[in-house]
Amino acid sequence: GESVGLHLPTLSVQEGDNSIINCAYSNSASDYFIWYKQESGKGPQFIIDIRSNMDKRQGQRVTVLLNKTVKHLSLQIAATQPGDSAVYFCAETNQGGSEKLVFGKGTKLTVNP
Amino acid sequence: EAQVTQNPRYLITVTGKKLTVTCSQNMNHEYMSWYRQDPGLGLRQIYYSMNVEVTDKGDVPEGYKVSRKEKRNFPLILESPSPNQTSLYFCASSLGRGGSEAFFGQGTRLTVV
Repeated sequence: GESVGLHLPTLSVQEGDNSIINCAYSNSASDYFIWYKQESGKGPQFIIDIRSNMDKRQGQRVTVLLNKTVKHLSLQIAATQPGDSAVYFCAETNQGGSEKLVFGKGTKLTVNP
Repeated sequence: EAQVTQNPRYLITVTGKKLTVTCSQNMNHEYMSWYRQDPGLGLRQIYYSMNVEVTDKGDVPEGYKVSRKEKRNFPLILESPSPNQTSLYFCASSLGRGGSEAFFGQGTRLTVV
């Protein structure tokens, strides 16, 4: 069935380092992928998205990479800051199909000063 | 200010007592959805709506009902709550299809005893 998973449930980095958060998805029909950030006590917040006709998209300090061959998604955060500490979720959907949004279980990122 | 408003933020209720969690958005978004978030399980979609009077089941719809009579409101109804519905609930809305760039509410923590 459809599922989105993460390779690591926790990630700890030093302030200033780059962070890479990984995500595997299983539905080859998914054509739209999103990364969300959730801080403690708050709802998820959109970070960046990518459509299946792209393999890379850059935002401010964040980059998402999509490898459709191995069904893998990653979020790269440059110069990680303490404010980046949160749980990060990837999500997938098929905008041309059911449009259900399926979330991964999340990776907790901790930034050490 | 663009926002998704859920009420109540916290609710403790007893098994079998019908309840409604309201959700309202002020962004004229067409797509709205409800999620529950449980430890170790991440965010799971309960129901979603692509427009007024159009709703569809997500991954965990059992025990829940929704309605979409107006574009801005998408209430979640628990006709006969049970303890396994104790969870953190989030409502979200988005302009695009498939939940793209979704805005999430602050969450409703529900406890059913």
